[in-house]
Amino acid sequence: AQSVSQHNHHVILSEAASLELGCNYSYGGTVNLFWYVQYPGQHLQLLLKYFSGDPLVKGIKGFEAEFIKSKFSFNLRKPSVQWSDTAEYFCAVNARGAGSYQLTFGKGTKLSVIP
Amino acid sequence: DTAVSQTPKYLVTQMGNDKSIKCEQNLGHDTMYWYKQDSKKFLKIMFSYNNKELIINETVPNRFSPKSPDKAHLNLHINSLELGDSAVYFCASSLKSSNQPQHFGDGTRLSIL
Repeated sequence: AQSVSQHNHHVILSEAASLELGCNYSYGGTVNLFWYVQYPGQHLQLLLKYFSGDPLVKGIKGFEAEFIKSKFSFNLRKPSVQWSDTAEYFCAVNARGAGSYQLTFGKGTKLSVIP
Repeated sequence: DTAVSQTPKYLVTQMGNDKSIKCEQNLGHDTMYWYKQDSKKFLKIMFSYNNKELIINETVPNRFSPKSPDKAHLNLHINSLELGDSAVYFCASSLKSSNQPQHFGDGTRLSIL
């Protein structure tokens, strides 16, 4: 079974700072990778996803993530954060071909952006 | 227009009561889920149904009973509510293929007094 680690529990940044949130997964086979965002009091929304092809994927709101297979990582980045990016961020992984229901979430990273 | 809708949004009740949460999706998905999110924001899968059939049943007390009358609906009934059941419960749906993202409802905040 796969597992996901998000090493940063809480990240605090000032507006315009650059962001990188770590995500590492544990699984020996091919995976699909996702980042979700949960704004305060809201539901989870998909930020971006990686299935195959270019390992650098771009998502909504200026976010991007890079899949590095050798490091089992899928870190989320944004060059310049805004106050409105304050939210909880979840990395998720499932094994290719295992079905969408085998999705495993990380424990989340809380991002607080200070104006 | 709401893709995944769950009701009620808030549920405040006393220990020992029985309550239900309803979920409906209009995305044409064939797979639906219930997640529990605790106070530390940890998301735990509880159940998953594909075309009305139970696919995943994680270690959840049997006081929790899901029911899927059709593939667009997945309801959650909870018997004999306990303090530890206080959490936000999210319904989600997707297509079955592993490269399909899940779409989440707005959540039901359950508070046990």
